[in-house]
Amino acid sequence: DAGVIQSPRHEVTEMGQEVTLRCKPISGHDYLFWYRQTMMRGLELLIYFNNNVPIDDSGMPEDRFSAKMPNASFSTLKIQPSEPRDSAVYFCASSLAPGENEQFFGPGTRLTVL
Amino acid sequence: SQQGEEDPQALSIQEGENATMNCSYKTSINNLQWYRQNSGRGLVHLILIRSNEREKHSGRLRVTLDTSKKSSSLLITASRAADTASYFCAMLYSSASKIIFGSGTRLSIRP
Repeated sequence: DAGVIQSPRHEVTEMGQEVTLRCKPISGHDYLFWYRQTMMRGLELLIYFNNNVPIDDSGMPEDRFSAKMPNASFSTLKIQPSEPRDSAVYFCASSLAPGENEQFFGPGTRLTVL
Repeated sequence: SQQGEEDPQALSIQEGENATMNCSYKTSINNLQWYRQNSGRGLVHLILIRSNEREKHSGRLRVTLDTSKKSSSLLITASRAADTASYFCAMLYSSASKIIFGSGTRLSIRP
């Protein structure tokens, strides 16, 4: 397996634009996680899915953020409209049962909002 | 916040020396994991220790867990330049179904 795949790896956009980040989890993993990492706030869990269903979105900062998982092999995180404070590295991770098994992280998407 | 606190925030040691990082948490846990993050990369799982375990080894890594003190430590023996990275603890709290990551320790190995 190629591991967790994220695209794009880098995204530079202007304030107000829509941004869509993509993730393909490891085949067979039932759980998918979206994290945001910044120097100030560290690694924050935004949302996670179990079998394509959102389970906990309490970490999603605002209504500008939305996430979907239309099938077991694809998820998106959308920011609309984007703001400079959204600049961060966004990671997607997948696992079997959370906590009892390791999470496998993708390489991340570095987002810069100008 | 249930985020774990790691100590020290940054550590610089000479190659060949041992590195020890500590993690403290707030309430009871089911297990605790350690991850490594190389610069510009995603996190990589190192080791998992359950709440009923006190010590675990994996190669040059040794993890201890003291549930009475709500703390864990990660020891890397005979450090190498390739060990330069950030290290994070992650807790599965008994009251939660998701793991919470600590603030991380930045480890630098001097040649």
